Amino acid sequence: SQTIHQWPATLVQPVGSPLSLECTVEGTSNPNLYWYRQAAGRGLQLLFYSVGIGQISSEVPQNLSASRPQDRQFILSSKKLLLSDSGFYLCAWSESAPETQYFGPGTRLLVL
Amino acid sequence: KQEVTQIPAALSVPEGENLVLNCSFTDSAIYNLQWFRQDPGKGLTSLLLIQSSQREQTSGRLNASLDKSSGRSTLYIAASQPGDSATYLCAVISSNSGYALNFGKGTSLLVTP
Repeated sequence: SQTIHQWPATLVQPVGSPLSLECTVEGTSNPNLYWYRQAAGRGLQLLFYSVGIGQISSEVPQNLSASRPQDRQFILSSKKLLLSDSGFYLCAWSESAPETQYFGPGTRLLVL
Repeated sequence: KQEVTQIPAALSVPEGENLVLNCSFTDSAIYNLQWFRQDPGKGLTSLLLIQSSQREQTSGRLNASLDKSSGRSTLYIAASQPGDSATYLCAVISSNSGYALNFGKGTSLLVTP
């Protein structure tokens, strides 16, 4: 069966510091991968999606970036965090598009 | 731009009641619609997916319907239980979103014993 992992589970970072969140999927190959953010009082918002290694599409302009160095690995990064980057970051995968998306446990980021 | 709205924002019912959660979307050009459950501080659990060509899907006590032409979906929960307490999210995949989900803000459900 397929599983999706995210780490860390919780992160507290100062403003201006770098960020790296990792997501990995097991039990499938060539999945579509997604990064979403859930900010307080707001709905889930798509940040990035990837249909293959090295293929990244961005939905929202921001100081975040994403990379897919391996088939089942998706990384969310920032060089300098902003207060507004605080939120709950969720990674998801699907076997193909547009099919059911399965979500990881999330990373809660607090920028102080 | 696709907008997804969920009503009500919050709902409290006594155990055993049947209830309906509503979801509406502005652009009917969707591939499918998914209902999720989110427990506090947790990720999302997929409940039901309805393809654009389907009218409804059922899983246990849950039934989701889709009226694509009017841009509406409902999630029906039968015989509610305290364990059903969670936030329920509706999301659609539109033809112009790169197959990414466009979410509503959710309905927070509390089922009291």
